Parts: sequence; C-alpha cells; structure tokens
Amino acid sequence: AQSVTQLDSHVSVSEGTPVLLRCNYSSSYSPSLFWYVQHPNKGLQLLLKYTSAATLVKGINGFEAEFKKSETSFHLTKPSAHMSDAAEYFCVVKGSGAGGSYIPTFGRGTSLIVHP
Amino acid sequence: DSGVTQTPKHLITATGQRVTLRCSPRSGDLSVYWYQQSLDQGLQFLIQYYNGEERAKGNILERFSAQQFPDLHSELNLSSLELGDSALYFCASSVEARNQETQYFGPGTRLLVL
Repeated sequence: AQSVTQLDSHVSVSEGTPVLLRCNYSSSYSPSLFWYVQHPNKGLQLLLKYTSAATLVKGINGFEAEFKKSETSFHLTKPSAHMSDAAEYFCVVKGSGAGGSYIPTFGRGTSLIVHP
Repeated sequence: DSGVTQTPKHLITATGQRVTLRCSPRSGDLSVYWYQQSLDQGLQFLIQYYNGEERAKGNILERFSAQQFPDLHSELNLSSLELGDSALYFCASSVEARNQETQYFGPGTRLLVL
C-alpha cells in the first residue's frame, strides 16, 4: 500500500520570499515521486520527478525537491516566489501494483497563494 | 499545451443518464490514464490502458468503463449517473507504462449531473 500526505492545504507567501510545500509519503517499494502544478481551469503540468537517481531534483520554473528516504519526505521548494506561481500543487507517489502495474496516488493538494 | 486533447470540455446531464468522454493522447504515447477530480475526494486514479489493453485499475466504479481503440484514443463511459459523479475528469498519456514515466495531462472534461 502507498499513501501521500501533503501537510498544508494552503500556503501563503509574499512575492520574492521562499516557498516550501511539504509532502510525506509511504510506500512498500522504492517509489517514484512527482510534483505537479495545476493552474485554475487547466490540466496538471509536471514540475519535477524523482526516480532513484540524484536525491536533489531540479524542475521547471526554479522549483526543486529533495528526496529524503529516512524522513519519507519529498518537499518542494523555490528560493523566490513569483505571482505566477499561485496555483494548486500535487505530490504524487507511484509504486508497484498487481501484475507489474504502477498505480499513482495523489496528495490532496496544496494551494499556494502569493501576495504582492 | 500538453498535446493531450479531451472532448467535450463541459457536459451537463441528468441523473440516470449515460455519457462518453473522449481522449486523444499525445502523438506516439501508448499509455492512457483516466482520473476523477472532485472537491471531496481529490484527484483519484480510475484506470490505465496501454496499447489497447487494460493495465491498471484504481477507484473506478462498476458503472464506469473505459476502452482504448486501435488508433490509441480512449473513451470513458459513465452510466446510471448520480449527483456525486459531478467532477472534473482528466485524461493523461505517457509513452510507455513504466514507473518513472511522466504523464501529460489534458485540460479535462467538467461533468455536471443535475
């Protein structure tokens, strides 16, 4: 079984300040982990993914995430928030399912609010 | 633009009815995924197809079914609709079906059941 917990349903920051979106996971297998972003009335877009290579993963738009196995965490960070970062962010874990399938489990999402 | 297209964008129907949602994956992608996004359940994985065959099943109700056709487009059929089926339905595609695959999401179909 696998699960994902996004620890904050809302995060509010000022433009130009750092962003931290927290994600903890559990998985019986070596998982793949992803962060997706969803802007209003849009589909989801991949920000970055961890696939057992480097533990520090760099993504698009200045985002990065660090895989910490001992803490079962995959927190998303950005040094300086921009107004265009305001969106919903989803942490996703994919682990092995029946018959070699890979079932994705999504967190409930964190809404990032950026104040001018 | 992800390259994944979904039709229709919006759908309004009544309880008890049946609807079909359509998805065209990115060119070259063999795997298609369906998701349901609602306020109370969040984003739920429904089902995955790979090259025409069902590959993985998630929280898909028996009233729902899907298929992937030889041209790789997919359809999600929702029948005996209930008010609680109102949601945003996303399709995503990927090249293969491996664990590390990036999924590319379509813009979604918003279903409202009255």
